[in-house]
Amino acid sequence: DFVMTQSPDSLAVSLGERATINCKSSQSVLYSSNNNNYLAWYQQKPGQPPKLLIYWASIRASGVPDRFSGSGSGTDFTLTISSLQAEDVAVYYCQQYINTPITFGQGTRLEIK
Amino acid sequence: DVQLAESGGGLVQPGGSLRLACVASRFSFSNCWMHWVRRAPGKGLVWLSGINADGSRTNYADAVKGRFTISRDNAKNTLYLQMNSLRAEDTAVYHCVAFGGNSNDAFDIWGQGTMVSVSS
Repeated sequence: DFVMTQSPDSLAVSLGERATINCKSSQSVLYSSNNNNYLAWYQQKPGQPPKLLIYWASIRASGVPDRFSGSGSGTDFTLTISSLQAEDVAVYYCQQYINTPITFGQGTRLEIK
Repeated sequence: DVQLAESGGGLVQPGGSLRLACVASRFSFSNCWMHWVRRAPGKGLVWLSGINADGSRTNYADAVKGRFTISRDNAKNTLYLQMNSLRAEDTAVYHCVAFGGNSNDAFDIWGQGTMVSVSS
């Protein structure tokens, strides 16, 4: 199975500052035939279902603000929030979907400092 | 808006069964892979099972293989999860999820979830 490990487990950032969350896969999620990384990022707020932010490692989903960006390839990935807003307080998950079982990282809790 | 709505959760005794249903609306359900994902209290997201668009292919996590069965009825725009031999560790909120239902190549439509509690 692909093991997804996020760091840190929790993070406190001041409003307007940059937040960075890392995700490492135990195996490459890059599919050579189409050069796509099968890596997505989700945001989950209390009492709500998860929301897709980023897919193919760096493509923002429909309606996602451009302060959210994804980068990386192969086994190492990063989600960056360029200027933290109060509404960004949530738990963030990375996910690989190149192979079953589809697996998620353990989650990173983002709070306001 | 596109929507998924789960039902069928509740309190069940260990060893019991439940059948979850998920009704899709305002997107092309019959063209999408569909999945079930759960989140236990205080824990993270766990993928359980997926089914392809016509229902001919299914995948399961080891934790539920042999106990849970995913199925779909495209004529009714409905996804199902039959859960047998339930255990305390199956207690969680269960979400149905569409892959690509909103033209994003990932889990881009999520239901609100239905709570399953397994306890005597």
